[in-house]
Amino acid sequence: QVQLVQSGAEVKKPGASVKVSCKVSGYTRNGLHWVRQAPGQRLEWIGKINSGDGKTLYSQTFQGRVAITRDTSANIAYMELSSLRSEDTTLYYCTTQMGGNLYWGQGTPLTVST
Amino acid sequence: QAVVTQEPSLTVSPGGTVTLTCGSSSGAVTSGHWPYWFQQKSGQAPRTLIYDVSNRHPWTPARFSGSLLGGKAALTLSGAQPEDEAVYHCLVSYGDAWVFGGGTKLTVL
Repeated sequence: QVQLVQSGAEVKKPGASVKVSCKVSGYTRNGLHWVRQAPGQRLEWIGKINSGDGKTLYSQTFQGRVAITRDTSANIAYMELSSLRSEDTTLYYCTTQMGGNLYWGQGTPLTVST
Repeated sequence: QAVVTQEPSLTVSPGGTVTLTCGSSSGAVTSGHWPYWFQQKSGQAPRTLIYDVSNRHPWTPARFSGSLLGGKAALTLSGAQPEDEAVYHCLVSYGDAWVFGGGTKLTVL
């Protein structure tokens, strides 16, 4: 069974960066994706990192402002978002796909405020 | 980057049938887009109902079915129950990239 455990809530000032982690337990050969969702809003795909070669792919919306990395020895993936603005205040999920199901982390709330 | 469109809201009577759709600005949604449908209730992460157009999971009630309809992915609920009131999201894959629809708020009333 796949389990994803994310790091805790973050509070940042505008212009700063945040790095959220996602520890993966259980076997998955599929990539690890990052998705965010403001309350009552659509799910928004941020990007992914391949489990095999570590290649990344980012949504055009976040290109240039996001970096997804991993520590393969610890089975942890990271999502770093820079140049934060108030509109980035939302819930960030990591998720992976296996057997036609998406497994989700518990979500990491980010607040960007002065 | 494609935009995926869903009905913002729909209402169905208890026991009734409703179809939610998921369209793409880049053309028809096909099986090659591996469309997914998720159900999300307040304060919870999305739960997968349908994957790869029409495949159900063991936890997916039989009253939910997925299909392709008129160039869109479709989720049909036949025999709506009060517990089906939720937001339904679709996911369309464009190669390795994902795009979610805006979500449909389904009211059972």
